[in-house]
Order: sequence, then C-alpha cells, then structure tokens
Amino acid sequence: EAGVAQSPRYKIIEKRQSVAFWCNPISGHATLYWYQQILGQGPKLLIQFQNNGVVDDSQLPKDRFSAERLKGVDSTLKIQPAKLEDSAVYLCASGPLRVTDTQYFGPGTRLTVL
Amino acid sequence: GDSVTQMEGPVTLSEEAFLTINCTYTATGYPSLFWYVQYPGEGLQLLLKATKADDKGSNKGFEATYRKETTSFHLEKGSVQVSDSAVYFCALFKAAGNKLTFGGGTRVLVKP
Repeated sequence: EAGVAQSPRYKIIEKRQSVAFWCNPISGHATLYWYQQILGQGPKLLIQFQNNGVVDDSQLPKDRFSAERLKGVDSTLKIQPAKLEDSAVYLCASGPLRVTDTQYFGPGTRLTVL
Repeated sequence: GDSVTQMEGPVTLSEEAFLTINCTYTATGYPSLFWYVQYPGEGLQLLLKATKADDKGSNKGFEATYRKETTSFHLEKGSVQVSDSAVYFCALFKAAGNKLTFGGGTRVLVKP
C-alpha cells in the first residue's frame, strides 16, 4: 500500500513570496490533515478535511494560508505571502473514516523563508 | 485546552541502556494516548497507543502504560539500539474533534 505522498520535499523562498505544497493521501482515506511543525516543536494542526469539506480550520492563519481538497482526494496548502516565521516542516496526514484515531503521515515539506 | 508535556532532550544513551521518556497530559474526558517516532528524514510513524486507563501499548520492544491517576504515558525500552535514534512524540487524541495534540518531542541519540 502506497503511503502519503508530498511534494516538494524542500522549498526555499524569500519573504513575501508565495508557495504551494501538494499532498496525495492513502487511497480511500476520507480524512486529510495538514500540520505545521516548527523546529524543536511538535506538529500543530492547521486544517482537517473530511472528504472535500473542512472539519476544523481554527488554527489556520487565514489571512495568508489557504487549503483546498478538490474531489476529496489530493490537497494543496498555499501560503501567500510568506513570512519568516512560516519556516517549518509542513506535514500531511490521512486517515480512514471508521478508525478516527489513526493517522498516517507523509514525509513532509521543509520550507525555509529567507 | 488539552496539552501534552514531554521531557526535553536530547537524551544520549549507550547501546543496550534502558530508556525512559516521560510524558504527562492535561485533558478533559477520556483521550487515547499515542507515541509517534520520527526517524531522520522521515515522517512520523505510529509506535504504540493505548485507548483507556491501565492499557499497555507495546511495539518493537517499547512499552507505555496509560496511567489516568497520574495523567502519564511514559515510554520505556529495556535495551536500546543505535537504530532507535530518533525523535519521539507523545500525543493525545480526543474523539470530539478528531484531533491529535502533540508534545514537543524528545530527541534520543544512541551511541554504539
């Protein structure tokens, strides 16, 4: 079974630029999560989708971050414009609908904002 | 709100030493508790979990017991290997909200 795929794996941009990350969850997983992991900290949930609907985006800085999950499969997370404090690893995870406490994580995208 | 507190690292050990990583939590209700591991350059992997008080989760020689009276879920391994070098995250899950809350992580370095 293929795992959660993310791209790119690394991205370096300058502040005020835009960036987008892509996630392909495990086939059949209804739930998809985006986390932000700042160096030395645990992951923090940014947004949670169930199929193509948003379940929780209470921690998403909506003035600059946006996310979508078209057709309930792939998802993109965008930052526009980026700030220095957005430097982090962005993790995508997916999980089956019936086993709600199980999440499978992708390898992450490491973003550096200069 | 819910929170998880882990001992700070790095924890440096010699091969075959005993490992303990402390984890305590604050939460209302009855959360499930997890340990995730992150090997260098990889994503988080579920190591073990416990869903109710007094449950013991175990995997790959690691164990942790859900202690509701002390709100703790300490991770232990009797004899570590170099390959156990990683960052370990304690986390809790609340069914209301389908949300995982992570601790800050503990880096473990095992030397040969």
